[in-house]
Amino acid sequence: AQKITQTQPGMFVQEKEAVTLDCTYDTSDPSYGLFWYKQPSSGEMIFLIYQGSYDQQNATEGRYSLNFQKARKSANLVISASQLGDSAMYFCAMRGAMNRDDKIIFGKGTRLHILP
Amino acid sequence: GAGVSQSPSNKVTEKGKDVELRCDPISGHTALYWYRQSLGQGLEFLIYFQGNSAPDKSGLPSDRFSAERTGGSVSTLTIQRTQQEDSAVYLCASSFVLRGVNTEAFFGQGTRLTVV
Repeated sequence: AQKITQTQPGMFVQEKEAVTLDCTYDTSDPSYGLFWYKQPSSGEMIFLIYQGSYDQQNATEGRYSLNFQKARKSANLVISASQLGDSAMYFCAMRGAMNRDDKIIFGKGTRLHILP
Repeated sequence: GAGVSQSPSNKVTEKGKDVELRCDPISGHTALYWYRQSLGQGLEFLIYFQGNSAPDKSGLPSDRFSAERTGGSVSTLTIQRTQQEDSAVYLCASSFVLRGVNTEAFFGQGTRLTVV
């Protein structure tokens, strides 16, 4: 069975500093996808970044990058130059191979607070 | 529509009543997911559809919960004989297939269900 673990329930970070949010996963499937979502206090789920298990390079999207370490089964999100608007709940998620275990499961989330 | 649409946005119901929650995915998206999120918690997977079939119903909490999807589009999540512990935000998401891979999931705004 697939499993996502986020061990940091909450984090406080000074504005403009870089942030790393931890995520480890467990799967026996060689083909899978990893996602990060942001959920601000408004409740909407905002897709941030995606990493495929066969991708050779770490995914990047603007200030977001995914530190993918396949052997360690970790997919940490790095936010560079944090901003006050980054304060939100962040969820790591995983999907298995299509037509085999295609549901997307989420970790319990990390609440990030950016301090002015 | 432009995004995933869920209705109603809020629902207050009396304990023991049945409720139906509707999700209208993005046009052309073949995969549809239902999640439940209690206050301050992560996303609990309920069920997912690929087209009209539901390969994975493992997350449905009890036989009071059921879901269907018709025409590969709109989905309805039904909760029978609602209980107070069913109170939560119910989120729907959809995704499409690109080169044989399901892409990231796009979420609706959710239905906030309150059982009194």
